[in-house]
Amino acid sequence: AQSVTQPDIHITVSEGASLELRCNYSYGATPYLFWYVQSPGQGLQLLLKYFSGDTLVQGIKGFEAEFKRSQSSFNLRKPSVHWSDAAEYFCAVNRLEGGGFKTIFGAGTRLFVKA
Amino acid sequence: NAGVTQTPKFQVLKTGQSMTLQCAQDMNHNSMYWYRQDPGMGLRLIYYSASEGTTDKGEVPNGYNVSRLNKREFSLRLESAAPSQTSVYFCASRLMAGDTEAFFGQGTRLTVV
Repeated sequence: AQSVTQPDIHITVSEGASLELRCNYSYGATPYLFWYVQSPGQGLQLLLKYFSGDTLVQGIKGFEAEFKRSQSSFNLRKPSVHWSDAAEYFCAVNRLEGGGFKTIFGAGTRLFVKA
Repeated sequence: NAGVTQTPKFQVLKTGQSMTLQCAQDMNHNSMYWYRQDPGMGLRLIYYSASEGTTDKGEVPNGYNVSRLNKREFSLRLESAAPSQTSVYFCASRLMAGDTEAFFGQGTRLTVV
């Protein structure tokens, strides 16, 4: 069963414009949700995470995400995009199965930034 | 500050050859994972080890085997490589609690010809 859906394969925004990347999850229990970023040729780096408390979470590099249980969403936002934000972004959920947690990823959204 | 170290970084294999991808972490993490990344498909879980002494299949385990050698090391073996296993492979580790993030190696780019 698909646990994480990122509906946009790629998005192009102008430098300085705002950004929203969508993520929907399907998971019955309290979700542990994450956003990771991958620059070309690199591994993944954590941007931010949510597991309880305030539904608006702040991350590194000026990113934030809002958890909305009613919509099963965890969308990533940034008010003003910089050219260095061009990368691939992955939404993920930690899902409890068997003896431990598995981290399941969405298919990713590639962000292009135009001058 | 090594974190998660994968070897090799690049590898070309002929169909039918075998090889082992090595992964080691120095963060005292309990859980370790192997993923493959293919264009448009994100990261798909091959195998994972929730704790030392245990291993479990992920979404795409066929054609692979793993060994959790000790708490630090988790290897992935391709017994008879196929072109469909051409991919970028990532090892990751994390603490056992659900609210902890994964830390990734730099990846191994494998081509099977």
